[in-house]
Amino acid sequence: DVKVTQSSRYLVKRTGEKVFLECVQDMDHENMFWYRQDPGLGLRLIYFSYDVKMKEKGDIPEGYSVSREKKERFSLILESASTNQTSMYLCASRDDYEQYFGPGTRLTVT
Amino acid sequence: QKEVEQNSGPLSVPEGAIASLNCTYSDRGSQSFFWYRQYSGKSPELIMFIYSNGDKEDGRFTAQLNKASQYVSLLIRDSQPSDSATYLCAVRGSGYALNFGKGTSLLVTP
Repeated sequence: DVKVTQSSRYLVKRTGEKVFLECVQDMDHENMFWYRQDPGLGLRLIYFSYDVKMKEKGDIPEGYSVSREKKERFSLILESASTNQTSMYLCASRDDYEQYFGPGTRLTVT
Repeated sequence: QKEVEQNSGPLSVPEGAIASLNCTYSDRGSQSFFWYRQYSGKSPELIMFIYSNGDKEDGRFTAQLNKASQYVSLLIRDSQPSDSATYLCAVRGSGYALNFGKGTSLLVTP
């Protein structure tokens, strides 16, 4: 069974902290993605990776970076968390047909 | 910017009726089209994908694609209260990532 897991379901961080969100998939997929979802704005792509150590900016990369050292793991890094980064973060990986989502991390920055 | 447009709703239909959800997209080079369902507080899950013009049926769900009009729709027959959710239309062009609409909220009333 397909599985994408995220390190935390809920996370509360303070402004200025460095935040790591981890995503792991067990399907040997090459492509992985990070989105954020906000009411009224929908799902927006932050970064994606098409292979190990390869990454591309999405639509809203500012304030974020990513790391993909191993095929199964894709990390999203908030270099200095700000309140406008309070959101639901969704990781996904894809095969030739379908994109599979993890359960999401609801991040609150205070 | 490649746009995917959906009516935000809420679309309210009585139990047993047909729900019709619509989506338009701006990129004529789009090649594949997806419908995801998202329950409140959960991550999106794939309902159907369609690549070719015409209709594709899967159980109570029918996806319809018209590339000339840049239009894709989802019909849900015999709607049930458990179908109440937000439905996300997503489009893929030649790249890796999906471009999502903001979603249509569907409410099926008993």
